[in-house]
Amino acid sequence: QTVVTQEPSLTVSPGGTVTLTCASSTGAVTSGYYPNWFQQKPGQVPRPLIYSTSNKQSWTPARFSGSLLGGKAALTLSGVQPEDEAEYYCLLFYGGAWVFGGGTKLTVL
Amino acid sequence: QITLKESGPTLVKPTQTLTLTCTFSGFSLSTSGVGVGWIRQPPGKALEWLALIYWDNDSRYSPSLKSRLTITKDTSKNQVVLTMTNMDPVDTATYYCSHLHSSGFDYWGQGTLVTVSS
Repeated sequence: QTVVTQEPSLTVSPGGTVTLTCASSTGAVTSGYYPNWFQQKPGQVPRPLIYSTSNKQSWTPARFSGSLLGGKAALTLSGVQPEDEAEYYCLLFYGGAWVFGGGTKLTVL
Repeated sequence: QITLKESGPTLVKPTQTLTLTCTFSGFSLSTSGVGVGWIRQPPGKALEWLALIYWDNDSRYSPSLKSRLTITKDTSKNQVVLTMTNMDPVDTATYYCSHLHSSGFDYWGQGTLVTVSS
């Protein structure tokens, strides 16, 4: 069974930069996994941020960026704002099925 | 604009079959490259991708749930239906449908909470 792994939790200071990663149990994540990233705050619907590795949705703030880093998909937040505190999920494509990561709880402190 | 809305029972009994409907507007599921997927989230837990149907009627399923899931579409009604058999309390979750385009799940419904209990 394919497993997608994210950091369970990360803490960042306001104004700082943080990178969340998304690894696959099958090996290196490439563009062919079409990584998607979502932000979810308590009680809210997941909000799409990034698709196909690095493409932003029209509503995605400029401080969010997606990339491939060291064999993983990555989501970088630059100039973190207090409102960025949330759970972040990645989603990878496996030639038909999609698999979510377990999520990263980002604390802004 | 694109909107999706999930509907179905809020309570099902163990062993019953769940049928959920996603009614959408703002796009056509006959347009090349478009799909509608289902995702669920148990209370306090992570998202789980379940199934997807494409404009050409190709359907895909989570390997771990494939034997229990069926996804169909009615293009004329702008609806996608997901059925899940043999429901169990561990299937208690909020179920979402989502629009897929250009390999991105960009628009989501508000979700519907389904509780499995006798």
